Amino acid sequence: DADVTQTPRNRITKTGKRIMLECSQTKGHDRMYWYRQDPGLGLRLIYYSFDVKDINKGEISDGYSVSRQAQAKFSLSLESAIPNQTALYFCATSDLQGGSNTGELFFGEGSRLTVL
Amino acid sequence: GQQVMQIPQYQHVQEGEDFTTYCNSSTTLSNIQWYKQRPGGHPVFLIQLVKSGEVKKQKRLTFQFGEAKKNSSLHITATQTTDVGTYFCAGPNGNKLVFGAGTILRVKS
Repeated sequence: DADVTQTPRNRITKTGKRIMLECSQTKGHDRMYWYRQDPGLGLRLIYYSFDVKDINKGEISDGYSVSRQAQAKFSLSLESAIPNQTALYFCATSDLQGGSNTGELFFGEGSRLTVL
Repeated sequence: GQQVMQIPQYQHVQEGEDFTTYCNSSTTLSNIQWYKQRPGGHPVFLIQLVKSGEVKKQKRLTFQFGEAKKNSSLHITATQTTDVGTYFCAGPNGNKLVFGAGTILRVKS
């Protein structure tokens, strides 16, 4: 079984609908992240959380919200989806490594979202 | 804010040829990470470089971190079809990672 699990893996929805993408992990890591991938733009950080009571905006948080329900769960919501939110979304986890303020990221399989 | 630029965006090579992707940061980095994403897959961590001028090898892959810690490169010797995918570099901005746009590698057999 995957250490970082995302659901759903694929979703097609309509403009204006509310969408939730869920992420759960069994790695025991405190840090969790949501990234968005678009062709030619790489991976852009939406939100991140360093523990259950900690939520931080990334570089492209507008139009998104998150909830850290437990150490192992971090969900991403689109309150009113729009077509330019069509993308591949990745959840990731990390733990600190010695000598570094940013640990290796472990990514989920991805959730492909299409907004019509 | 900090930017991480990666070139080329795309490269198509003949199997057996070498491949290099370059990463440049607008600021000095404490470390740099490299990831590989196979087509249809998710990014997977390859390596982290921390020291100025550091060179690390993984079989046919050679990773370098510049002396000024503002640039890095990944070189693949004698590419194989299993090397296809997108290669990303990522540098820290505070306590989060900023990714380059990635280099897509295609290998013709």
